[in-house]
Amino acid sequence: QKEVEQDPGPLSVPEGAIVSLNCTYSNSAFQYFMWYRQYSRKGPELLMYTYSSGNKEDGRFTAQVDKSSKYISLFIRDSQPSDSATYLCAMSGRGTYKYIFGTGTRLKVLA
Amino acid sequence: GAVVSQHPSWVICKSGTSVKIECRSLDFQATTMFWYRQFPKQSLMLMATSNEGSKATYEQGVEKDKFLINHASLTLSTLTVTSAHPEDSSFYICSATETNTGELFFGEGSRLTVL
Repeated sequence: QKEVEQDPGPLSVPEGAIVSLNCTYSNSAFQYFMWYRQYSRKGPELLMYTYSSGNKEDGRFTAQVDKSSKYISLFIRDSQPSDSATYLCAMSGRGTYKYIFGTGTRLKVLA
Repeated sequence: GAVVSQHPSWVICKSGTSVKIECRSLDFQATTMFWYRQFPKQSLMLMATSNEGSKATYEQGVEKDKFLINHASLTLSTLTVTSAHPEDSSFYICSATETNTGELFFGEGSRLTVL
């Protein structure tokens, strides 16, 4: 079993839809959780960074962490064609800077 | 957010030559930097962890003598692909950890093509 599981997609949605992206993990020591967006042939761009459980909102993006279920989510409201990219989750434990990445979910927002 | 600059963004070289890729944290100090390799439509593959002033820690299966990593300062790490061969052609990405917050920022990546 991988430490971090993420559905590779592709996930296709119509413009304006609410997108839900998810990752599950097995290591209960993970405390830091990140979501990245990666366009083709570009480096990943940090979208959201959360510590421990709870929600965090930034514009159209909301990140949720449920440590009891070992489950994290990224919601994108009012999705746009420009949101079409691969979304990677990443997480690490306290005392280490080594992040474990999901495989990434390819998202396509159709105009 | 913090900026990580990676250079060159693309490079083409002949088989047998060596190529150096630089990774700089522009507005923060990075004690730890990471180097990844990424194949088309695949996720990041961690190659090594680079710590300032000490030897890099390589992941299993990554050749140390092939991929030389140097982290001479708190803002600069370099990856040198030695005696490059066509199978080394790939997208190489670095990342740096902002020491105070633990956030991880990525460079734009470097596309290496070995002819």
